[in-house]
Amino acid sequence: DTEVTQTPKHLVMGMTNKKSLKCEQHMGHRAMYWYKQKAKKPPELMFVYSYEKLSINESVPSRFSPECPNSSLLNLHLHALQPEDSALYLCASSQETGLVQETQYFGPGTRLLVL
Amino acid sequence: AQSVTQLGSHVSVSEGALVLLRCNYSSSVPPYLFWYVQYPNQGLQLLLKYTSAATLVKGINGFEAEFKKSETSFHLTKPSAHMSDAAEYFCAVSKSGGSNYKLTFGKGTLLTVNP
Repeated sequence: DTEVTQTPKHLVMGMTNKKSLKCEQHMGHRAMYWYKQKAKKPPELMFVYSYEKLSINESVPSRFSPECPNSSLLNLHLHALQPEDSALYLCASSQETGLVQETQYFGPGTRLLVL
Repeated sequence: AQSVTQLGSHVSVSEGALVLLRCNYSSSVPPYLFWYVQYPNQGLQLLLKYTSAATLVKGINGFEAEFKKSETSFHLTKPSAHMSDAAEYFCAVSKSGGSNYKLTFGKGTLLTVNP
């Protein structure tokens, strides 16, 4: 099973709301990633978790707060977002073998609209 | 710095025609290169990856890519396009982000297949 699931599929929120995006994988992967993808653009890395510890933060604004409760779950908490944060948020996971050619497996994404 | 450039943001072919999507890399060390496909409203799926074991790499759905060091290229081909191949294609390079490796994507090429 090479599936990464994400909920919800769609989310509409106001700028004062607090919401969370969830990602789950049951492949035993120990690295998990959040990407942001604007329309007609490539995905941009936001965060990487390795063995449940934050490994990479690509200078993402603090209104995005990641959390990795266990090795299978990855959350992205959203607070006080701006309309320009509207995008497709993709979660991915990989085995964390330490090899540069490791494959990342992507979920279907959550399409976020900030009003 | 390692990066990839995809030539042509949009490629249009007829069903049954050859598909050629171009990717050139910039790297001072052997690059590890990937091709991902994104179907409408979906996440990314790995088509194939170059790991230095072989210069001609075969992937899923009849796609293949050839690594040419002399041309710094890793172009994606398929002998005969099918309507179901219509999607966005991303070339990517894996590079160190400190304690983890990061995928950096090209800008993408939208493939349309005409009946």
